[in-house]
Amino acid sequence: AQSVTQLGSHVSVSEGALVLLRCNYSSSVPPYLFWYVQYPNQGLQLLLKYTTGATLVKGINGFEAEFKKSETSFHLTKPSAHMSDAAEYFCAVASGGYQKVTFGTGTKLQVIP
Amino acid sequence: DAGVIQSPRHEVTEMGQEVTLRCKPISGHDYLFWYRQTMMRGLELLIYFNNNVPIDDSGMPEDRFSAKMPNASFSTLKIQPSEPRDSAVYFCASSPGTGWVTLHFGNGTRLTVT
Repeated sequence: AQSVTQLGSHVSVSEGALVLLRCNYSSSVPPYLFWYVQYPNQGLQLLLKYTTGATLVKGINGFEAEFKKSETSFHLTKPSAHMSDAAEYFCAVASGGYQKVTFGTGTKLQVIP
Repeated sequence: DAGVIQSPRHEVTEMGQEVTLRCKPISGHDYLFWYRQTMMRGLELLIYFNNNVPIDDSGMPEDRFSAKMPNASFSTLKIQPSEPRDSAVYFCASSPGTGWVTLHFGNGTRLTVT
């Protein structure tokens, strides 16, 4: 069985401040981990993914995440928030057959001017 | 690349009616997924296909739900009869399926059952 837990359904940051969105996973086999972003009235878009190799993964729009096996975490960060980052962010895990992706409950990011 | 195309974008229907949602995946993608998104349950995988064959339908909530993929470029999700609790946003996604999976989502169909 696989699952992800996202801490905080809503996060608010000031424009220019650090963004930190938390995700912990549970998987009985080495996982593939993902962050997706959803803008209003749109489908989800891939931000970044971890499969194997380097544990620090860089994605689009200046986001990055670090896979920490010892902490079973895959937190998403961005050094400086921009107004356009306001959206809902989903952490996801795939394991076993790697085609069945399980999503977290999402974190809505608000960026305050 | 046109992306994953879903229709309609919005559907409003009365309880008991049949509803059909449609999806055209990205050309060349071997996998197609149907997800449902609600406030209460988040994103749930309903069913997925590989090369037009249903692989896992364990997420389909009831016999009222059915999905087909008659060819590589078209899939439908049907609800018959529909109920108010089926109101949700239904997403179709496709994946090239090579090694690891990256899902490409459509913009969804917002279903309201009154």
